[in-house]
Amino acid sequence: EIVMTQSPATLSVSPGERVTLSCRASQSVSSNLAWYQHKPGQAPRLLIHGASARDPGIPARFSGSGSGADFTFTISSLQSEDFAVYFCQQYNNWPVTFGQGTRLEIK
Amino acid sequence: QVQLVQPGAEVKKPGASVKVSCKTSGYTFTTYAIQWVRQAPGQRLEWMGWINAGNGNTRYSQNFQGRVIITRDTSASTAYMELSGLRSEDTAVYYCARGSISNWPFDFWGQGTLVIVSS
Repeated sequence: EIVMTQSPATLSVSPGERVTLSCRASQSVSSNLAWYQHKPGQAPRLLIHGASARDPGIPARFSGSGSGADFTFTISSLQSEDFAVYFCQQYNNWPVTFGQGTRLEIK
Repeated sequence: QVQLVQPGAEVKKPGASVKVSCKTSGYTFTTYAIQWVRQAPGQRLEWMGWINAGNGNTRYSQNFQGRVIITRDTSASTAYMELSGLRSEDTAVYYCARGSISNWPFDFWGQGTLVIVSS
């Protein structure tokens, strides 16, 4: 199965800062890569699919890029409601697999 | 709006089975698949299987083959995941999500059901 590796595990940031997260696949997943936001006690929320397409209603400050095995997720200016765990998912091959997540903490 | 509603928590003894429901609304149930994913404490999300809500076809992860059964009730727009032979390592939050059986992400998720396996 494809192993997804995210970095960093935790990031301490201040509101207004630009944040860039990384997700690497153990083999190519083409552009079949999604990013999700997960807050405690809530349902995960799909932000990006197809590596770079924002889901409807997702603010423009969230963006994704990459293809093949290396992907990047960016929040251009961090808002207070953005502090959460972000995880990537490849859906190119079964079983679908997930990264271990990156936790954004308030600095 | 699309919603997937799960019960909050279940406590089971080792060796028992648990059946978690996922009640959907806001879309045509039979036109999507329902995926099941779990997250054990400190672990990443792990895919368990899916059901095509239209025709009832299923596919399971090798890691759960023989222990998991996913079903659906189209009249209730509800999917179910039953996991048998529970052990302490099955303690986790179990999520259902709307998806597809082909290359597509999981666009709506339930809030998760905490299953605690303890004697």
